[in-house]
Amino acid sequence: NAGVTQTPKFQVLKTGQSMTLQCAQDMNHNSMYWYRQDPGMGLRLIYYSASEGTTDKGEVPNGYNVSRLNKREFSLRLESAAPSQTSVYFCASSEAPGTATYEQYFGPGTRLTVT
Amino acid sequence: RKEVEQDPGPFNVPEGATVAFNCTYSNSASQSFFWYRQDCRKEPKLLMSVYSSGNEDGRFTAQLNRASQYISLLIRDSKLSDSATYLCVVSLYNQGGKLIFGQGTELSVKP
Repeated sequence: NAGVTQTPKFQVLKTGQSMTLQCAQDMNHNSMYWYRQDPGMGLRLIYYSASEGTTDKGEVPNGYNVSRLNKREFSLRLESAAPSQTSVYFCASSEAPGTATYEQYFGPGTRLTVT
Repeated sequence: RKEVEQDPGPFNVPEGATVAFNCTYSNSASQSFFWYRQDCRKEPKLLMSVYSSGNEDGRFTAQLNRASQYISLLIRDSKLSDSATYLCVVSLYNQGGKLIFGQGTELSVKP
C-alpha cells in the first residue's frame, strides 16, 4: 500500500517550458487535491477534484491545468512555466469530506525550480 | 487578513517543556478543524482533529473556541522528536471540503 505517490521528485525547467506532474493514490479515495507550498505562505490549493470526472479551481489556479484521469490519478500541468511557479508541489487525497475519516493524505512532494 | 493565522515562531524550548500554539480563523462557516505536522522538507501529516469539546491524544491536547474563532494545541513534556512545523487547518464543507492552511508554527526542542 503506497498511499499517495508523486513523480517526479525534483525538476528544473526553463521559463516557457511545459511539464506535467503526476499523482496517484491507491486508497480508493474520491477526492484529490494539488497544493503549492512557498516559504512563509503555507500550503495553497491550486485545483481539486471532489470526485472522478469533476475538477474545480482553488485559491491559485492561474498558470495551471489539471486532469482527473480516473479515480486513482490526478495530474497537474504547467503549460508555460514561469519563475513564480518555483515551489514545492504536493498532491493529496481524501475520502469525501464530512465522513468520519476525513483526513487528507499527502504525497512526498515535487520540488520544482523554474529558471 | 489571512483566513487562518498562526504565530510563525520559531519556538525554541528545552526537552520536557510545555508549549502552546495558537491559531485564529476568520470564516465563521468553518466546520472542521485539524492540526497537521510537517517535518523539514517532508509532506504534512495529520496530527489530530479538533473537536468542540476539546480532545487529547497522549501528550497533545487540542481545544476549539468557536465563539472566538480560536484553536489551540498544547504539547506537554516536549521530546526532541516533536521538533517540526505545526499547521493549523480548517475546512469549509460548503466549498467541497477544501482545507485552508495556516502558515505553520515552527517548533525546535533542544536537549
